[in-house]
Amino acid sequence: GAVVSQHPSRVICKSGTSVKIECRSLDFQATTMFWYRQFPKQSLMLMATSNEGSKATYEQGVEKDKFLINHASLTLSTLTVTSAHPEDSSFYICSAPPGTGRYNEQFFGPGTRLTVL
Amino acid sequence: AQSVAQPEDQVNVAEGNPLTVKCTYSVSGNPYLFWYVQYPNRGLQFLLKYITGDNLVKGSYGFEAEFNKSQTSFHLKKPSALVSDSALYFCAVRAAGGYNKLIFGAGTRLAVHP
Repeated sequence: GAVVSQHPSRVICKSGTSVKIECRSLDFQATTMFWYRQFPKQSLMLMATSNEGSKATYEQGVEKDKFLINHASLTLSTLTVTSAHPEDSSFYICSAPPGTGRYNEQFFGPGTRLTVL
Repeated sequence: AQSVAQPEDQVNVAEGNPLTVKCTYSVSGNPYLFWYVQYPNRGLQFLLKYITGDNLVKGSYGFEAEFNKSQTSFHLKKPSALVSDSALYFCAVRAAGGYNKLIFGAGTRLAVHP
């Protein structure tokens, strides 16, 4: 199946710093990518839909100035957590459906564990 | 509003026994349903999907799921569980509108005991 990578796999940072997480589709082009947040033993919460060449669409309650998303190419989307605080500590996962077909399953990255001290 | 329910937080099964992980859904229009599995500290892996056609869908690792329109269910099944099947399982439905957005259930932790 299609492969989605994320970098870094884990990051520890100090409160107040910004952290950038990359999501890449390795063997397909993705006009759309999705960013999720997962708390321990909980389901995935969709944060935003990343659209290549245009602004991201954020879910209700997600601060767009806090979680900056850039989808500059058909294979790369980035999530930047700005001025991170301990409550931003979480597991962040991206996904992408290969192609634009409405029946396509999404392929998920391995996730990034963010710990803010 | 579209939603997915996984009524069991955890399912315990002995190795070699059949397993079922339950999922019910609520959608407007035709449902497009998916099952994913998540191993510890990993992203989700696609298992199978139902779009249309045969109600019994076969997927990866010997899993299958049965679509039941009258009961609005899409239960995941496997005839003989393995210890390595122990993981977190998510049912999802494609949201209405564009972008292939998925709505996930809360997840069910499957524990297969030797």
